[in-house]
Amino acid sequence: AQSVAQPEDQVNVAEGNPLTVKCTYSVSGNPYLFWYVQYPNRGLQFLLKYITGDNLVKGSYGFEAEFNKSQTSFHLKKPSALVSDSALYFCAVSAFMDTGRRALTFGSGTRLQVQP
Amino acid sequence: DTGVSQDPRHKITKRGQNVTFRCDPISEHNRLYWYRQTLGQGPEFLTYFQNEAQLEKSRLLSDRFSAERPKGSFSTLEIQRTEQGDSAMYLCASSPGTDNQPQHFGDGTRLSIL
Repeated sequence: AQSVAQPEDQVNVAEGNPLTVKCTYSVSGNPYLFWYVQYPNRGLQFLLKYITGDNLVKGSYGFEAEFNKSQTSFHLKKPSALVSDSALYFCAVSAFMDTGRRALTFGSGTRLQVQP
Repeated sequence: DTGVSQDPRHKITKRGQNVTFRCDPISEHNRLYWYRQTLGQGPEFLTYFQNEAQLEKSRLLSDRFSAERPKGSFSTLEIQRTEQGDSAMYLCASSPGTDNQPQHFGDGTRLSIL
């Protein structure tokens, strides 16, 4: 069965500093990996995805993520954090189920707090 | 692109009552998904449709839950005989018909069972 781990419940960073939100996954086969952000009482907004190709993917709002196959990781990064980046971040993996169809499995989320 | 729309945004009901939620996906998207999200957790997959066909159902989807997408456009999720444990945010998402495209989420329906 596929799974996603986000080992940190919360990440605190000062505005202007780089940020990293960690994600590791466990799947059989080639994963499709996604990052989403959620603001209070709202749905999830897509940030970026890795399907194939270059291991470093760039997404919305200056975020990027690096796919590392050997470490089964897909950490989210941003060179300079903004207070407005404070939100809940979810990593998700799409992998084949027993039915032969792909389904999306989400991690438990990491709350990012950016201090002014 | 008007986004995914869900109605109602909030629903409060007594235990044992039936509730129905509606989702209107992005018009050109032929896939539609339902998820459940409880506090402090990521969304959990419930079911998905390709056009009007319900192709996948999670083991989480007990027989009290039923979803439909009769004309391949909007979808409804019904919960019969609600229980306290059904209190959650119910999220709908839609995507084009390929696995490598991201899903676009609505703002959800928050269900509270008294």
